[in-house]
Amino acid sequence: QKEVEQDPGPLSVPEGAIVSLNCTYSNSAFQYFMWYRQYSRKGPELLMYTYSSGNKEDGRFTAQVDKSSKYISLFIRDSQPSDSATYLCAMSGGGTSYGKLTFGQGTILTVHP
Amino acid sequence: DTEVTQTPKHLVMGMTNKKSLKCEQHMGHRAMYWYKQKAKKPPELMFVYSYEKLSINESVPSRFSPECPNSSLLNLHLHALQPEDSALYLCASSQGDRGLANYGYTFGSGTRLTVV
Repeated sequence: QKEVEQDPGPLSVPEGAIVSLNCTYSNSAFQYFMWYRQYSRKGPELLMYTYSSGNKEDGRFTAQVDKSSKYISLFIRDSQPSDSATYLCAMSGGGTSYGKLTFGQGTILTVHP
Repeated sequence: DTEVTQTPKHLVMGMTNKKSLKCEQHMGHRAMYWYKQKAKKPPELMFVYSYEKLSINESVPSRFSPECPNSSLLNLHLHALQPEDSALYLCASSQGDRGLANYGYTFGSGTRLTVV
């Protein structure tokens, strides 16, 4: 079993839709949770960062962490064609994961006009 | 534009060649990283430098040799690579020591390496 599971998609939605991206994890030591966006042929770009459980909102993006269920989500409201990219969840924390980011497989998202 | 600059953007090399990838950041970050990313896969950690010292080597073959000349620069020296080493090589940096990687990295745009 992988430490972090993420549905690779692909996910295709119409412009203006609400997008929900999810990851589950098995390592209880994870305490820091991130979402990265990666456009084709570019490096990943940090979108959202959350510590422990809770919600965080930034513009059209909302990140949620439920540590009791080992489940994290990223919601994108009013999705735009420019949101088309691969979205990677990433986590880190103590123990063997100290100082490292463990990534999910990435979800390919296409927002069509 | 990203604040982590990688050169070259593209590199084609033969299996007997020696080449180097370069990475530079001027954000005052004290931890720097090399990642390898194959198509449609997540980045895989190769090396971590913390305060210019190698702190993590993820059992990377010796044909990859990292170097950190100072706090702003990170190199990856390549020698006798195999075609399966073709990938996107990403450099990243973060504040403080490797523990503060918990707050996320800043990635460069990567070097797309093809080994022929």
